[in-house]
Amino acid sequence: ELKVEQNPLFLSMQEGKNYTIYCNYSTTSDRLYWYRQDPGKSLESLFVLLSNGAVKQEGRLMASLDTKARLSTLHITAAVHDLSATYFCAVGGGSEKLVFGKGMKLTVNP
Amino acid sequence: DTEVTQTPKHLVMGMTNKKSLKCEQHMGHRAMYWYKQKAKKPPELMFVYSYEKLSINESVPSRFSPECPNSSLLNLHLHALQPEDSALYLCASSPHPTGRAEVYGYTFGSGTRLTVV
Repeated sequence: ELKVEQNPLFLSMQEGKNYTIYCNYSTTSDRLYWYRQDPGKSLESLFVLLSNGAVKQEGRLMASLDTKARLSTLHITAAVHDLSATYFCAVGGGSEKLVFGKGMKLTVNP
Repeated sequence: DTEVTQTPKHLVMGMTNKKSLKCEQHMGHRAMYWYKQKAKKPPELMFVYSYEKLSINESVPSRFSPECPNSSLLNLHLHALQPEDSALYLCASSPHPTGRAEVYGYTFGSGTRLTVV
């Protein structure tokens, strides 16, 4: 059974700082997704990572995938308050299933 | 049109009521999904429709009944729900159950917040 673990689950950081969050998964998969969710809102797609070594960047966020280690990272550069949200990674678990991690609640303090 | 539209946005229903949630997409996606998300938890898959046929039912209680009348529309019929069924119900779609779905990922709707009283 595919399990997806994120750490940390809670992060409070100061504006301007950098940080890396992690997503591990238990079985082989070639699809990994990062989503952002604001309170009471739906999921916003951030990144789709499909191959080993894939790296994608959008603004202050950069995601990477190491399929051999079954690990994805989401790096935050020079955090700003607007990045405060919950971040989920999700892994393709078979042809149609998407298994989510528990999510990481990020709070960026001024 | 690059959106998944869900209605209603909010729904309050009694335990004896029958109601339906609606999801619509006009992106030509051939896979559609229902997810349930409890507060402070990740989304959990309920159902998957591929080419308008039910392909996955994650052992969901029969008080939830999905329906896919056509390739653009997905319904979730609710009957005799319990208070613990209160949650955010998310609909999603992807271009294809396999293959190029990976390239485009999944598009989620804004959700229906359901409260069962």
